[in-house]
Amino acid sequence: GNSVTQMEGPVTLSEEAFLTINCTYTATGYPSLFWYVQYPGEGLQLLLKATKADDKGSNKGFEATYRKETTSFHLEKGSVQVSDSAVYFCALTVGGRSSASKIIFGSGTRLSIRP
Amino acid sequence: EPEVTQTPSHQVTQMGQEVILRCVPISNHLYFYWYRQILGQKVEFLVSFYNNEISEKSEIFDDQFSVERPDGSNFTLKIRSTKLEDSAMYFCASRPGLAGGEQFFGPGTRLTVL
Repeated sequence: GNSVTQMEGPVTLSEEAFLTINCTYTATGYPSLFWYVQYPGEGLQLLLKATKADDKGSNKGFEATYRKETTSFHLEKGSVQVSDSAVYFCALTVGGRSSASKIIFGSGTRLSIRP
Repeated sequence: EPEVTQTPSHQVTQMGQEVILRCVPISNHLYFYWYRQILGQKVEFLVSFYNNEISEKSEIFDDQFSVERPDGSNFTLKIRSTKLEDSAMYFCASRPGLAGGEQFFGPGTRLTVL
């Protein structure tokens, strides 16, 4: 079946530290991969995505590369800010144009950044 | 920028009561979804809807749940007889008809069953 496994939290870092949140996936077919972010009290926002192997998604200083050989999509940021404190969800969809393509989410990683 | 909206933001109900959660997807989108997130847990897929019918539903989406697109703009989730374990944040999402396309999420409705 299709599933996403991501690094358990919470993760606490100091401002300007380097961030990595690990994510691996299992999928039948060729998934699209996503990172969603949920700020406190808010809904889900797409942070970045990659739709095929070796694609790199990037946004707001965050990056993730679709690695088919290791079935991974790790999230990285070179210098985190207090405003990055949120819950981060790795996710995938599988299916073509005619498919409704539900999203399968990982369990989420809570990130807290200290000033 | 167009966005998905949901009402109400918070719904409190008694166990056994019916609730209807409402969503207005982005107007030119073709696929519609409901997800839920029990407090502190992962976001779980409930149901997808396309061309006026259910495309896929999860094991959670039992006979107590139903969805409807009554007027071409709203997309509703009905729970006929709520249970305590239905307490969760319910998210609506929509996407255009693109392969691998992004799903746009609403802000959620927090349902509390007492």
